[in-house]
Amino acid sequence: QQKVQQSPESLSVPEGGMASFNCTSSDRNFQYFWWYRQHSGEGPKALMSIFSDGDKKEGRFTAHLNKASLHVSLHIRDSQPSDSALYFCAASETSGGNYKPTFGKGTSLVVHP
Amino acid sequence: EAAVTQSPRNKVAVTGGKVTLSCNQTNNHNNMYWYRQDTGHGLRLIHYSYGAGSTEKGDIPDGYKASRPSQENFSLILELATPSQTSVYFCASGADWGRDTGQLYFGEGSKLTVL
Repeated sequence: QQKVQQSPESLSVPEGGMASFNCTSSDRNFQYFWWYRQHSGEGPKALMSIFSDGDKKEGRFTAHLNKASLHVSLHIRDSQPSDSALYFCAASETSGGNYKPTFGKGTSLVVHP
Repeated sequence: EAAVTQSPRNKVAVTGGKVTLSCNQTNNHNNMYWYRQDTGHGLRLIHYSYGAGSTEKGDIPDGYKASRPSQENFSLILELATPSQTSVYFCASGADWGRDTGQLYFGEGSKLTVL
């Protein structure tokens, strides 16, 4: 069973719109979450982390974590065509030290003009 | 910016042949990882290392070996390559302490085709 599930598989939003991604862990040991973004032909790059309950905002990106349900979401406001990419959620048992992140299958985002 | 370099970027191998994928990082990170990326599966962890001289099995280690001879270098070895190992392989490094602990820095990927 996939320990980190992401939804939806794909998403299309208009330029200037809001893109929203969901991620749930089935392993209660996974308490620390990262979001990564991968443009075509490149390696994934980290967007932001979230380790505490509630919201965390960085520019146009907002992450939300509910530790009780192990559900984390990512929202991109004012989406731009350059945001078109594959978005991954990654979960770990620890925030540092000896960690081994487990990734979800990803959500493909297309931002159309 | 942290730097992770993979080689080769593209490789065509024959079934039964030996393949070595190399990774070098200049970040001075203790942690290094090998993932493979396949459509419909996302990124899956093959092997990882928490320091020079150590390697650990990830979630899908069968058919792969790893070697970490130094802080900077981490190799993935396919002793007997099979077509099912056709994939894009990503190496990553991560700090185990400090400001960016927990964050992975990925290379650009190595595309392997096994015929």
